[in-house]
Amino acid sequence: RKEVEQDPGPFNVPEGATVAFNCTYSNSASQSFFWYRQDCRKEPKLLMSVYSSGNEDGRFTAQLNRASQYISLLIRDSKLSDSATYLCVVKGGKLIFGQGTELSVKP
Amino acid sequence: GAVVSQHPSRVICKSGTSVKIECRSLDFQATTMFWYRQFPKQSLMLMATSNEGSKATYEQGVEKDKFLINHASLTLSTLTVTSAHPEDSSFYICSANTAGTNYGYTFGSGTRLTVV
Repeated sequence: RKEVEQDPGPFNVPEGATVAFNCTYSNSASQSFFWYRQDCRKEPKLLMSVYSSGNEDGRFTAQLNRASQYISLLIRDSKLSDSATYLCVVKGGKLIFGQGTELSVKP
Repeated sequence: GAVVSQHPSRVICKSGTSVKIECRSLDFQATTMFWYRQFPKQSLMLMATSNEGSKATYEQGVEKDKFLINHASLTLSTLTVTSAHPEDSSFYICSANTAGTNYGYTFGSGTRLTVV
């Protein structure tokens, strides 16, 4: 079993749609959780940290369920510029990356 | 904000030659640098963790004699791919923990290595 699992997609959605990504992790001792965004052939960039209480940054909402070892990311009102691969990242002693979920937002 | 400068961004080399990739932290001291490799459509896989002034710690399955890591200063870490082969063609990327924060890592811009 992979340490961090994501649905690779691709998710093809129209502009304005709401899309949700899910992620599960295997190590219950994991300490910190993040969503990163990676554009094609570029480095990952931190999108947001994820907390059990849930956190929101504009159109993006992240949620952590420690009991289920489950992390989610919700994107509302999708923009063309949201097209990218979204990486679920879990930190124990080191960062562990999920495979990434590819999102393509179409006009 | 914290910046990690990685060079070269792209390199093509002949099989059997060695390639050096540099990562510099420009405005902070990177006591720890992480080196990753990413194959197409796959996740970033941690290769090794390098601490300034000490030997790097390699992940299982990564050959330390093939992927030489040097972290001689707080602002520079290098990865040398020795005797490169076509299967070493990949996207190599470094990352450092951003000084002053307990979370979030700053990544270099990556190096796309093609071995022909």
